[in-house]
Amino acid sequence: AQTVTQSQPEMSVQEAETVTLSCTYDTSESNYYLFWYKQPPSRQMILVIRQEAYKQQNATENRFSVNFQKAAKSFSLKISDSQLGDTAMYFCAYHSGGGADGLTFGKGTHLIIQP
Amino acid sequence: DSGVTQTPKHLITATGQRVTLRCSPRSGDLSVYWYQQSLDQGLQFLIQYYNGEERAKGNILERFSAQQFPDLHSELNLSSLELGDSALYFCASSPGTRVGETQYFGPGTRLLVL
Repeated sequence: AQTVTQSQPEMSVQEAETVTLSCTYDTSESNYYLFWYKQPPSRQMILVIRQEAYKQQNATENRFSVNFQKAAKSFSLKISDSQLGDTAMYFCAYHSGGGADGLTFGKGTHLIIQP
Repeated sequence: DSGVTQTPKHLITATGQRVTLRCSPRSGDLSVYWYQQSLDQGLQFLIQYYNGEERAKGNILERFSAQQFPDLHSELNLSSLELGDSALYFCASSPGTRVGETQYFGPGTRLLVL
């Protein structure tokens, strides 16, 4: 079974700084997908970014980018020019290449952006 | 707004009771997923339905069951409730069953078992 590990339970940075959230995963599959979801205080789960394992290029979405290291099984999220609205829980998630399964989530990182 | 709706938003009930949570997927989505988020277990996949048929099972207890109806809405039934079933229950939907499809989450139903 796949596992996802987020080693930083909580992080705090100043507004406008850049922050990187770590995620590692364990799998024997070669084809899979990785996601970062954001959960603000409203508890809504919001997709931040998606990465296909067979693509070498790191995904980016505006201020959000990932550093995907397939050999190291690492999938970190970088948030540039952080904003107060980025304060949330961030979950790393894995989707099996087999497809017939739900997402496997890490335990999350609570990110606090200080004014 | 993801387009996925869940009712009710909050539910308070007693141990031993049975409740039904309802989910309507985004327009056009055929797959529905159910997840449980608790302090102890984190976010866990429970079950997936695709176009009315069960497609995948995760860590779903035998006391829990789900179904997807012809209009594609889904219900999650929780019975013989225990204190430990208190959690936030999410429904998510995706267009089909392709690997890596983005799942869009509803706002969740917060269940409190007293």
